[in-house]
Amino acid sequence: QLQLQESGPGLVKPSETLSLTCIVSGGSISSSSYYWGWIRQPPGKGLEWIGNIYNSGSTYYNPSLKSRVTISVDTSKNQFSLKLSSVTAADTAVYYCARHRTYGYFYMDVWGKGTTVAVSS
Amino acid sequence: EIVLTQSPGTLSLSPGERATLSCRASQSVSSNYLAWYQQKPGQAPRLLIYGASSRATGIPDRFSGSGSGTDFTLTISRLEPEDFAVYYCQQYGSSQFTFGPGTKVDIK
Repeated sequence: QLQLQESGPGLVKPSETLSLTCIVSGGSISSSSYYWGWIRQPPGKGLEWIGNIYNSGSTYYNPSLKSRVTISVDTSKNQFSLKLSSVTAADTAVYYCARHRTYGYFYMDVWGKGTTVAVSS
Repeated sequence: EIVLTQSPGTLSLSPGERATLSCRASQSVSSNYLAWYQQKPGQAPRLLIYGASSRATGIPDRFSGSGSGTDFTLTISRLEPEDFAVYYCQQYGSSQFTFGPGTKVDIK
């Protein structure tokens, strides 16, 4: 059974870079038809898609975050990562990683449990 | 960018009642690109419906999706206690995913 698990610091200082990793288990990150990506949810608010990556390294980003986001993949470790630079309090959120179906149909079918990141000095 | 609007913001119903949730897009969306998710407090979203009307694996048949173009609907035929949650629609277009603001279904 495919599982995703986010990891990373729970507290980041303003202007620094937020770094998270998603470890994929029970399946291969090199599966065709799937991208792997990140979604966030500020406290008490809705879902915001951040971006995704294919096992080849091809990426797509939310235009509103594109200048600050980098998503990378390490197929040897079956994991992918998120870096968000120049963070502010507005980046405080629960960050989820998820598998993205991107062929024929487009949806996110397997999610991690989420990790809370607070931006504060 | 396609913007999704969901209505109502909150739906107050009793167990056993029928819930009808609306998702409207600012431009036409391919049915294949429209999905619905359920989120309970403290949990990750769960995929319910993809392709506007196909139930995801393990989703009870009381959940159904319909619609096309700019108007889509999620229907819960008879609410069970575990169905009280927030529901989001999601679309894909121009190489990006966007979510609607959500509809909260709470107990009347």
